[in-house]
Order: sequence, then C-alpha cells, then structure tokens
Amino acid sequence: AQKITQTQPGMFVQEKEAVTLDCTYDTSDPSYGLFWYKQPSSGEMIFLIYQGSYDQQNATEGRYSLNFQKARKSANLVISASQLGDSAMYFCAMREGRATDSWGKLQFGAGTQVVVTP
Amino acid sequence: SQTIHQWPATLVQPVGSPLSLECTVEGTSNPNLYWYRQAAGRGLQLLFYSIGIDQISSEVPQNLSASRPQDRQFILSSKKLLLSDSGFYLCAWTWTGGANSPLHFGNGTRLTVT
Repeated sequence: AQKITQTQPGMFVQEKEAVTLDCTYDTSDPSYGLFWYKQPSSGEMIFLIYQGSYDQQNATEGRYSLNFQKARKSANLVISASQLGDSAMYFCAMREGRATDSWGKLQFGAGTQVVVTP
Repeated sequence: SQTIHQWPATLVQPVGSPLSLECTVEGTSNPNLYWYRQAAGRGLQLLFYSIGIDQISSEVPQNLSASRPQDRQFILSSKKLLLSDSGFYLCAWTWTGGANSPLHFGNGTRLTVT
C-alpha cells in the first residue's frame, strides 16, 4: 500500500507568491520522520526540511516551512515568496520507526512538479 | 565534510549486457548506503540498502544485485540488462542511527537500455 501520497502532480505559481504542496502519509508507528526533497531538472536530490513525529512545533528552514497536522497525517510543504529557481519536482518522504528499526530507509511519494512563472 | 560520488553520469547499454554502477562516500565511516531507482516522472523506488560491509538487503526482486566490498563503496550490478531496467539510479547515504538524518544523494546515473 502507498505510504506517502502526493495528490498534486503539477502546479503553476507566480513569482513572489506562496505555494503549498500537499503530502499525506500512512503509518501505525508512533515514531516516524517526514522529509521534503527538491529535484531540479538536473536530477540531484536536495534535502529541504525535516519534521519528527514528536516535534511540537512546525519545522522551518528559510523560505520553507512544514505544516504538520499529526491527527490528519498530513505534512504539507509551504514555500514562501517563490523564485524562478524553485521550479523543480518536490518529493515528500517518510522514515518509519526508529532509525535502527528502519535502517534509515525513506519511502517517497510520487512527487509534485512546480513551475514558477515570472 | 562528507561527499558522495556516483558514476557514470549517463550510460547507454544494449539489452543483455552487464551493468556496474559505482558509488563511494568520503568523509564519514560506517554509513548506511542505498540504491534507489526513479522511472521517468515518477517517485523513487528503493532497490537495496546496506548497514555494513556484506550486509545488504533487497527491497524488490529483480535481476539487479548490490555489493559493498568496502565500508564506503556500494556497487549496483546486473549480469543481463532488461529494457525495464532503464531509469535514473541514485545512490544515497545517511548516518547510522540518526532518526532525523536525511539521505544525502549522489548526482545519479541515467541508464538507457536499448
């Protein structure tokens, strides 16, 4: 069964606007971590932000913030003040259990393609 | 600082030919290592992961294999490539036991099987 669901295959956003990328996850493990990655057309995977299941506050990293709603099992990425360089594929990923249980493995969603227009 | 090297960057191979993709990590010891595959426009599928030398687990049965001859070296191989093996292959590493540690990826190998 799909553990990570990203329902938006593609999105257009205007420069300087904010954009929210949806991510829902499925796990019965109380301990888990959620990650967001950016993949430009060059193919490299760039780590953006992390949210732990026990974290009380939403994670933030510069223009990236994570809207973590634990009860709804959602971890949406918010990019504020979009820039042309933000055009890329964005992936949500989850690590279940403690790292020693999962051996650090990440399960990825299908991704959302973001295009930032001038 | 830690770096991960993956090569070659692109590869075109005929069906039935062998494959060897190599990945090395510098600046750390005893990392967890991973091979992922990404089909065009799709998400990442975990192929193999390793928590130590000669400790490798496979996530999906297929005609690929992985080996870890040295602590920081991870190799993806095939004896006979299939058309369905085409894709973007990514090697990654993370700290052992770090629950909040992200995976750090190499630049990937674009494999086209003809």
